[in-house]
Amino acid sequence: ETGVTQSPTHLIKTRGQQVTLRCSSQSGHNTVSWYQQALGQGPQFIFQYYREEENGRGNFPPRFSGLQFPNYSSELNVNALELDDSALYLCASSLDNSAGFTEAFFGQGTRLTVV
Amino acid sequence: EDKVVQSPLSLVVHEGDTVTLNCSYEVTNFRSLLWYKQEKKAPTFLFMLTSSGIEKKSGRLSSILDKKELSSILNITATQTGDSAIYLCAVEAGLWSSGSARQLTFGSGTQLTVLP
Repeated sequence: ETGVTQSPTHLIKTRGQQVTLRCSSQSGHNTVSWYQQALGQGPQFIFQYYREEENGRGNFPPRFSGLQFPNYSSELNVNALELDDSALYLCASSLDNSAGFTEAFFGQGTRLTVV
Repeated sequence: EDKVVQSPLSLVVHEGDTVTLNCSYEVTNFRSLLWYKQEKKAPTFLFMLTSSGIEKKSGRLSSILDKKELSSILNITATQTGDSAIYLCAVEAGLWSSGSARQLTFGSGTQLTVLP
């Protein structure tokens, strides 16, 4: 069991609404990444935060945004929800130790359903 | 564009069998390859392979990285019903410097079913 926790575990939203998902990183980790996993697919990289700044983004529109806090916890915000946003959202934490990255540990995910 | 392909897509075996899962990749500036087991939600970390660590083993599971063939295999010996899961392969690529983003590119996974 990893030290990465996510909340909530399940969520149902209506198209057009906004949602905030939360992640608490493993102790000692300074990097958090968010991934979207559609049914039957591998996770897709959304973005990464390091030292409270976004330092990398995948092929996702600006309505996907995030924050990282001084305690390395993180939020993923999605505005103007679309039906295709229905997926499992995973956060992963790892350590940038100046020599490379350590293993990436995932939280249990938030299952978002947009109706 | 970085690409990771896993095969087979699904596999059904009986307890006690040995299985080999495959992962091939096409990326620029390879850094590491990671294997995960996903049963319900959270992908559980199995192995991380790099140029300095191309072979890993833990109990009945082992993995080898072939940088020449741009591929990796995950072996599971004496399979058990508890091994039933989706196995994901992910590759980290790109020039690295402290503070740079770590983007993992995942394959679609191999669905392993172990029958009693």
